[in-house]
Amino acid sequence: NFVLTQPQSVSESPGKTVTLSCTRSSGSIAYNYVQWFQQRPGSSPTTVIYEDDQRPSGVPDRFSGSIDRSSNSASLTISGLQTEDEADYYCQSYDTDNVIFGGGTKLTVL
Amino acid sequence: QVQLLESGPGLVKPSQTLSLTCTVSGGAISNSYYYLTWIRQPAGKGLEWIGRIYPSGNTNYNSSLKGRVTLAQDTSNNQISLRLTSVTAADTGVYYCARVSLDYNYYMDVWGKGTTVTVSS
Repeated sequence: NFVLTQPQSVSESPGKTVTLSCTRSSGSIAYNYVQWFQQRPGSSPTTVIYEDDQRPSGVPDRFSGSIDRSSNSASLTISGLQTEDEADYYCQSYDTDNVIFGGGTKLTVL
Repeated sequence: QVQLLESGPGLVKPSQTLSLTCTVSGGAISNSYYYLTWIRQPAGKGLEWIGRIYPSGNTNYNSSLKGRVTLAQDTSNNQISLRLTSVTAADTGVYYCARVSLDYNYYMDVWGKGTTVTVSS
């Protein structure tokens, strides 16, 4: 199994753009799709990106996902930050038998 | 609109078996376009995948749970169940049920609110 590594915390100001990273420890990031989940305090997670860069209906287009083969990482970019974006964000991928989550990044919007 | 509702005992003693249920409303669990998965989250920590069950009844489990987990489905009651044996304090946390679309790779489009389990004597 591989590991997905995320920074523990990131802070940014309202209106700015922030990029959260998710680095895969072994095997290409492109081998298996990456999903991103948002979890606000006291709530269940929700999907904000699936299959690397697809946005579910209802998710604002301020949220975008991408992968970078050179750094073997996936990224979630949130533009025009709003206070409601303050949450924990988890990346997720998989291999043949297991589903793997990153440790999560706490995004503070201040 | 499909909704998932997890339920079960909030407190389980160490070494005993944890049993949880995920009840689906607004859609049949036999729907061939989706499967259901369990995910847990220790307090203040990240997400951990437990396993999944397909409409056929086929299952896959997180290998780290070392054979302690079993998922099953009850189509007559539109429920799936999770059974985790020999629990320890490390099994304490919130347990979520989520629906995954088979049209995409790991698109979890519906999540339950979760149920909290504490393992303690």
